[in-house]
Amino acid sequence: DTGVSQDPRHKITKRGQNVTFRCDPISEHNRLYWYRQTLGQGPEFLTYFQNEAQLEKSRLLSDRFSAERPKGSFSTLEIQRTEQGDSAMYLCASSLRPSGRGNEQFFGPGTRLTVL
Amino acid sequence: QKEVEQNSGPLSVPEGAIASLNCTYSDRGSQSFFWYRQYSGKSPELIMFIYSNGDKEDGRFTAQLNKASQYVSLLIRDSQPSDSATYLCAFYAGGTSYGKLTFGQGTILTVHP
Repeated sequence: DTGVSQDPRHKITKRGQNVTFRCDPISEHNRLYWYRQTLGQGPEFLTYFQNEAQLEKSRLLSDRFSAERPKGSFSTLEIQRTEQGDSAMYLCASSLRPSGRGNEQFFGPGTRLTVL
Repeated sequence: QKEVEQNSGPLSVPEGAIASLNCTYSDRGSQSFFWYRQYSGKSPELIMFIYSNGDKEDGRFTAQLNKASQYVSLLIRDSQPSDSATYLCAFYAGGTSYGKLTFGQGTILTVHP
């Protein structure tokens, strides 16, 4: 499968625990994005990597959230001290070029996080 | 004012009819506009993009963009039950937005036989 992959697909955790998600983009894509989607809403941008550099972070990304993309390949998103409001689908996307002129972002299957 | 607003749903159309999905956006600097389809429990998949004023057709889908009115729409002709999904409108602002997409809340479309 040459698409974007994410792991795990589902995560249930207790409030206050730390969780880490992984995203493997399409191999030749140097741009990687994290989004969060709650029920009944569209995806909300969290952060963006070009190669290994994190170039943009949303104000939604509190200090409890951190993302990395070592060596410009896979990426991890960590949430520390989870809260019930963190429950959402976390989507990863990758692209080969910027979104201008319609260059497509390909989405992974997402990681559904439930915080009890 | 929300950055992207989509017509409230859910929208229900009979099989074979035209489904019309609408979206307005607030950022006049927006460069590209995307329509994604999202089946329940699945991730978004791109249907069409448009960046020039006017119409763009691809099979049963037509995207329409009017930058002066800050309006973009998606028409689905000969709607099929398999078109039943949530349709997400998104835009790319360009400049320092580094390619991030800003999405609307989505419109749920149901095509009934």
